[in-house]
Amino acid sequence: GAVVSQHPSRVICKSGTSVKIECRSLDFQATTMFWYRQFPKQSLMLMATSNEGSKATYEQGVEKDKFLINHASLTLSTLTVTSAHPEDSSFYICSARETGRYTQYFGPGTRLTVL
Amino acid sequence: AQTVTQSQPEMSVQEAETVTLSCTYDTSESNYYLFWYKQPPSRQMILVIRQEAYKQQNATENRFSVNFQKAAKSFSLKISDSQLGDTAMYFCAFMKRSGTSYDKVIFGPGTSLSVIP
Repeated sequence: GAVVSQHPSRVICKSGTSVKIECRSLDFQATTMFWYRQFPKQSLMLMATSNEGSKATYEQGVEKDKFLINHASLTLSTLTVTSAHPEDSSFYICSARETGRYTQYFGPGTRLTVL
Repeated sequence: AQTVTQSQPEMSVQEAETVTLSCTYDTSESNYYLFWYKQPPSRQMILVIRQEAYKQQNATENRFSVNFQKAAKSFSLKISDSQLGDTAMYFCAFMKRSGTSYDKVIFGPGTSLSVIP
């Protein structure tokens, strides 16, 4: 089956530093990838949609300068949280949509803790 | 704009029994897909079942089946012979289709299901 990996699974960083999270589709090509944020006991909140080779589309209220998304290849998208602060602490999930198909496959998530 | 509602924040069921999770959605679109996703304590999102709106027949996947009522905009999930491994958050989700392209997935707030031994 289609597998999506995320790295790292957990990261702890100091306030003011930047953190990069990688999302890879391991056995399929993904023209479109999605980044979500999830707070405890809540649903997934879509942050942005990225299409390979073009700029990401951010949801309303999401700071594009703070959450930098790059989708440079058909198998890799990265989310960089710049100048992280404690309120950025959350669970971040990526998903990938196989080119030409509609099903999304989800990564295992990354728990970010900002001290 | 499309919305997805799950009116049951928490549910519980005895092992081996049957449980039904409710979902309603609001849309003016005619071409769309509906999904149920499961998120166990590991937090890995798992696709449980999907339904194409143009299909009248309800989807089934082993112990999981849906009751899709298009006119009522209702999409409930029935889990038969509940197992301890079914304990998870369940999210109902909606996705619009526009021609050959697919839109983003909109998730409901979720239902926390506990299977009791």
